[in-house]
Amino acid sequence: GAVVSQHPSWVICKSGTSVKIECRSLDFQATTMFWYRQFPKQSLMLMATSNEGSKATYEQGVEKDKFLINHASLTLSTLTVTSAHPEDSSFYICSAGGDVQAGEQYFGPGTRLTVT
Amino acid sequence: AQSVTQLGSHVSVSEGALVLLRCNYSSSVPPYLFWYVQYPNQGLQLLLKYTTGATLVKGINGFEAEFKKSETSFHLTKPSAHMSDAAEYFCAVSDAANFGNEKLTFGTGTRLTIIP
Repeated sequence: GAVVSQHPSWVICKSGTSVKIECRSLDFQATTMFWYRQFPKQSLMLMATSNEGSKATYEQGVEKDKFLINHASLTLSTLTVTSAHPEDSSFYICSAGGDVQAGEQYFGPGTRLTVT
Repeated sequence: AQSVTQLGSHVSVSEGALVLLRCNYSSSVPPYLFWYVQYPNQGLQLLLKYTTGATLVKGINGFEAEFKKSETSFHLTKPSAHMSDAAEYFCAVSDAANFGNEKLTFGTGTRLTIIP
């Protein structure tokens, strides 16, 4: 089956620093990748949709300059949290869309970010 | 706009009892409906999905769900609960046939607890 990985699985950083999270589709090409944010015991909130080779589409209320998304290849998308603050602490999950025939969206295992 | 409502943020059932998790949706077009399971500190795993055709959908781990258009519902059931079913369950909807590459709208989730 299709596998999506995320790295790192957890990260602790100091307030004011930036952290990059990688999302990779290991055995398929992902035209589209999605980034979600999940607060404790809450649902997933879509942050942005990224398409390979083009700018990401951000959901309303998500700061583009703070959450930088790059989708440079069909197997890799990155989310960079810039100038992180404690309120950015959350669980970040990516998902990747496979080909049309598959019609499936595959989720990564998530990255827990803690900003101190 | 689409939306998903999951009734009951917490559901507790005894081991061996029927599991019923409720999901109602709102969509202006024929929906594509999904149930995902999330174990602690992990990503989402697809349990089952409804696209077209048979309204009773069978998924993994003995779960099934029935699409009822007249009730705009897609409730998840399992005849006999196992301890391993304890997890968070999310209902989601997409309005696009190419849902692998379209965003999903998630419900707020239901935490299922199994009582020994």
